[in-house]
Amino acid sequence: EADIYQTPRYLVIGTGKKITLECSQTMGHDKMYWYQQDPGMELHLIHYSYGVNSTEKGDLSSESTVSRIRTEHFPLTLESARPSHTSQYLCASSGGQGAANTIYFGEGSWLTVV
Amino acid sequence: GDSVTQMEGPVTLSEEAFLTINCTYTATGYPSLFWYVQYPGEGLQLLLKATKADDKGSNKGFEATYRKETTSFHLEKGSVQVSDSAVYFCALRTTGGFKTIFGAGTRLFVKA
Repeated sequence: EADIYQTPRYLVIGTGKKITLECSQTMGHDKMYWYQQDPGMELHLIHYSYGVNSTEKGDLSSESTVSRIRTEHFPLTLESARPSHTSQYLCASSGGQGAANTIYFGEGSWLTVV
Repeated sequence: GDSVTQMEGPVTLSEEAFLTINCTYTATGYPSLFWYVQYPGEGLQLLLKATKADDKGSNKGFEATYRKETTSFHLEKGSVQVSDSAVYFCALRTTGGFKTIFGAGTRLFVKA
C-alpha cells in the first residue's frame, strides 16, 4: 500500500473561489507530481517537483500553482476557480533515480466548479 | 521522444474470457515497463512491472512480458472476472528519466 494522501476527495465550489488541494506522502520520496484527468481518460502532467523548493510546470498548461516547502507536502492551488477546471486531480510521488522506481498515486481529488 | 501506445477501448468481455491489452513503446536507453489499473473513482495502482528484456511481471492473475525485439509489453489474463472492470494504463520510465510516460488507457468492461 502506498502512503500518499489527498484531501479533499470531493469538492464542489462556486466560480471565482480560491481552492487548495492537499497532498502528503510519508514515504520520504523526493519527487512529487500532479496530474489532471477527466474520468477514465488520459493523464496529463501539470506540475512536478524534484525536491524541496523545486517546482516545474508539466506537459499540460494549467492555471494552478504548486509549492514544495516540505518534502512530504505538495499542495496545488487555484486562485480563481472556473468551470473549465472541473476534473479529477491526482497526486503522485516516487523516489530514487533508477528506471525501476515505481510512481505511487493518491486516490484523487474530484473538483467540480459550478 | 519516449512514448507508449495502447490499444483503444473499450474492451468488452464476458466473465472467464481471455484478455489481451496491447501495449507498444518507443524509448531511448533501457526503460522499465509498468501496468497500472484504475478502478472507478480511485487513483492508479501498480499492477505489475518488468525492468529488463524478457522479464515477466505478474500479479493477481495478470501477466506481461517485456519484449525488446518487438518493443511490446502486452497485458494478459487467462480468465477475467467482473471485478477486473477498470481502466488499464501501460507506462514506461527510462534510466535517469524523471517522468513516467503513460499510455492513453484502455477501459475494460467484464459482464457476468
